[in-house]
Parts: sequence; structure tokens; C-alpha cells
Amino acid sequence: GNSVTQMEGPVTLSEEAFLTINCTYTATGYPSLFWYVQYPGEGLQLLLKATKADDKGSNKGFEATYRKETTSFHLEKGSVQVSDSAVYFCALPPQGGGSEKLVFGKGTKLTVNP
Amino acid sequence: DTGVSQDPRHKITKRGQNVTFRCDPISEHNRLYWYRQTLGQGPEFLTYFQNEAQLEKSRLLSDRFSAERPKGSFSTLEIQRTEQGDSAMYLCASSLRGGRGYTFGSGTRLTVV
Repeated sequence: GNSVTQMEGPVTLSEEAFLTINCTYTATGYPSLFWYVQYPGEGLQLLLKATKADDKGSNKGFEATYRKETTSFHLEKGSVQVSDSAVYFCALPPQGGGSEKLVFGKGTKLTVNP
Repeated sequence: DTGVSQDPRHKITKRGQNVTFRCDPISEHNRLYWYRQTLGQGPEFLTYFQNEAQLEKSRLLSDRFSAERPKGSFSTLEIQRTEQGDSAMYLCASSLRGGRGYTFGSGTRLTVV
């Protein structure tokens, strides 16, 4: 079935630094891809998504491009803030199309220091 | 729209006891999901409802677990004869239809001692 692999964390950056969190996927077809964020003590929130190859999802200064050539969906932000400290999860449907359930990566913990 | 509500936020129980969690989805969402998240891991799918019908169950959902959504609104997840390995965050999510991502609740953290 479909799966995602995220870069190991934790990641520690200084405020205003550039962020990349790598996510690569193995999938049948071209399923939608998602990034979720989990702030301390909270549930997950959808950060951004892309529904087809070459789509770019963006939200709150974060971006990720669905690249079928490299089977990647890396998350980037040009200038991180302390408030971006959270755990980030890459996700996709388990196989085929649709997204009734999602398969999540293990998560990458980001800490941004002032 | 008050989001997805889960109750309780935290539950500590002794091994062997039964526990029940409640999830109230966003009112117009007809799809409801339960996930389990252990420390340092991503959420793992447990089960999914469309309206009151339970359409899919993971192999993770042993016979000790049961979920219901009797009127297609709120849902309950019950764990019987809890074990220490059941300690985790139990997350509920809802959606209107597939392909657009979920809205998650804040979760119920279960600790079995």
C-alpha cells in the first residue's frame, strides 16, 4: 500500500531561518498529498494539500510542491517564527484514489528558538 | 461551527477497566474517523463512519474495541478490559466528503496504569 517517509527529527532552527522538512512517498497512481501540523497538546490541523502532480499547496507561509518525478512533497517556509514550533506530519491515502483514511508519516518535530 | 469536540481530554484508568470516549463532529459533516496516536508516531487509522454506518475497521481495532455512531451525529469509542498498551492519544476527525482533508479534535489522552 501507499506510504510516506519523513525526515527524522527533531529540527531546531533560529527565528527567521529557512525550513525544509522532507517527505517522500510510495503510491499507486497519484493520490492527494497532505501536510498536517500538531501544536503542543492539540489535535492535528490540515496545513496544506495538493491533489495532483505539480500542484503547489500553500498556507501561512508554508509551501509544498507535489513532484511525481522525485515522489516528494517537501514542506518549506522561508522564514520560521517561534509560533511555528510544532510537529509536522506528511500524509496520503493508503492506496488508489480518495482519502477516506490517511496514512501518516512519523512526524517531524520543529523547535524554533528566538 | 465549534469544531470537533472530544471528551474527556484526559483519562487515567486502571488496567482491566472499561473506558468510553465521546466525539462530537462538525454538525454538517457526515464522515467521522477515529485514529490512535502513540508517542513519537503519526496517527494510525482505527475506524470510519459515514452517517451511522461503520464502513471500515482497521486490524488495530481488536475485539476489545467498539465504536458506535447511533444517530449519525456523535460517536463513542469504548475500550473494554484496558491494557497498558492501550495508552495513547485517541483522535477523532470529521469531514464532509473525501479529498478535502479532515478536521481533527484535540484528542483524548488515555493512560492505563
